[in-house]
Amino acid sequence: DTAVSQTPKYLVTQMGNDKSIKCEQNLGHDTMYWYKQDSKKFLKIMFSYNNKELIINETVPNRFSPKSPDKAHLNLHINSLELGDSAVYFCASSQVGGGPVDEQFFGPGTRLTVL
Amino acid sequence: LAKTTQPISMDSYEGQEVNITCSHNNIATNDYITWYQQFPSQGPRFIIQGYKTKVTNEVASLFIPADRKSSTLSLPRVSLSDTAVYYCLVGDLNTGGFKTIFGAGTRLFVKA
Repeated sequence: DTAVSQTPKYLVTQMGNDKSIKCEQNLGHDTMYWYKQDSKKFLKIMFSYNNKELIINETVPNRFSPKSPDKAHLNLHINSLELGDSAVYFCASSQVGGGPVDEQFFGPGTRLTVL
Repeated sequence: LAKTTQPISMDSYEGQEVNITCSHNNIATNDYITWYQQFPSQGPRFIIQGYKTKVTNEVASLFIPADRKSSTLSLPRVSLSDTAVYYCLVGDLNTGGFKTIFGAGTRLFVKA
């Protein structure tokens, strides 16, 4: 059973398009995240979503919007895609304050290429 | 937010012990130290986490001195499959991942 899954795995699209990446976790965690990993391999957090509370990284353009229909899902919608949005996007989840260890479980990533 | 500094890359040979040191001079009282491993084309995977002294699990050991301004991840007897990027990060467990920052990581290359 996959703990954190993302779809699609690869996404190739044209500039200006709108696209979504889906994420689901079956771990029963209460917190989910979106990360962006650029070509230099820096992994930067974009959003954290906990019990309907959204924490936005202020450096993320408002073209990016997370949507959480329920606790197990956190989708990422991107409007008006730009070349600089090309990266690998990782979804993750964790149980905040759920024990002595705070472990984030990451999905396999979605490689987004904007042409 | 605590910033971490790690070596950009390290090389090792199979069977050797590898120690990767991370500096976090501005670590806060409530921050824990966590290490993740990332293989190519995969998401990061949790390795170990600690607050002070020494923590050991089936994968690695984590050594944290009393001042907590640095930490060392120790991988015993590495194999080729340990070739990966290793990230050190610090954060408060009670605030979730948002206040933890992944740096550039250390690329470990294990040779035969």
